[in-house]
Amino acid sequence: NAGVTQTPKFQVLKTGQSMTLQCAQDMNHNSMYWYRQDPGMGLRLIYYSASEGTTDKGEVPNGYNVSRLNKREFSLRLESAAPSQTSVYFCASSEVDGYTFGSGTRLTVV
Amino acid sequence: GENVEQHPSTLSVQEGDSAVIKCTYSDSASNYFPWYKQELGKGPQLIIDIRSNVGEKKDQRIAVTLNKTAKHFSLHITETQPEDSAVYFCAASKGTYKYIFGTGTRLKVLA
Repeated sequence: NAGVTQTPKFQVLKTGQSMTLQCAQDMNHNSMYWYRQDPGMGLRLIYYSASEGTTDKGEVPNGYNVSRLNKREFSLRLESAAPSQTSVYFCASSEVDGYTFGSGTRLTVV
Repeated sequence: GENVEQHPSTLSVQEGDSAVIKCTYSDSASNYFPWYKQELGKGPQLIIDIRSNVGEKKDQRIAVTLNKTAKHFSLHITETQPEDSAVYFCAASKGTYKYIFGTGTRLKVLA
């Protein structure tokens, strides 16, 4: 009963490096999301995928790209990391109401 | 743009007392309002939700109330226990797939 699995859990990047955050869900949900969480700012939507084959921008998409690889997997890519992208990243999935969140990736860009 | 305001940002209560967290939303089209609990080092977990056609919903020690006219909704936790200590987030639906989250309330239950 894994739910939403995110990898890695922790990552340190140098400015300008690239990386991909992975997310997979085993609940057969249609919709998947990427949020970032910063102190005092709550959760802000980066990108979402309403269904397999579609992706859309959220509130803060700049500097990120996503891929909905199949129904299970939704990845988030940072092409050229910046210190402003230091954050905790959460993937979530949903079918009708309410999200199921993963346990997060803590990313530090130095 | 649409936003959700959440108060207070921190709340300390004695074990056994009640805790109330309040949220105000701006989008009159919002029709679904979930609450999430986030424990340290974990992702947020849905604890209760309410739809706009319902004024109140209760699940054991937690309840949520909604006032659509005033555009505010509240989380009520009764008989608080140390394991209720966490950060709580409210959210309001934005369209079909998205939510706008509040900034969170850190609840501390003092033994």
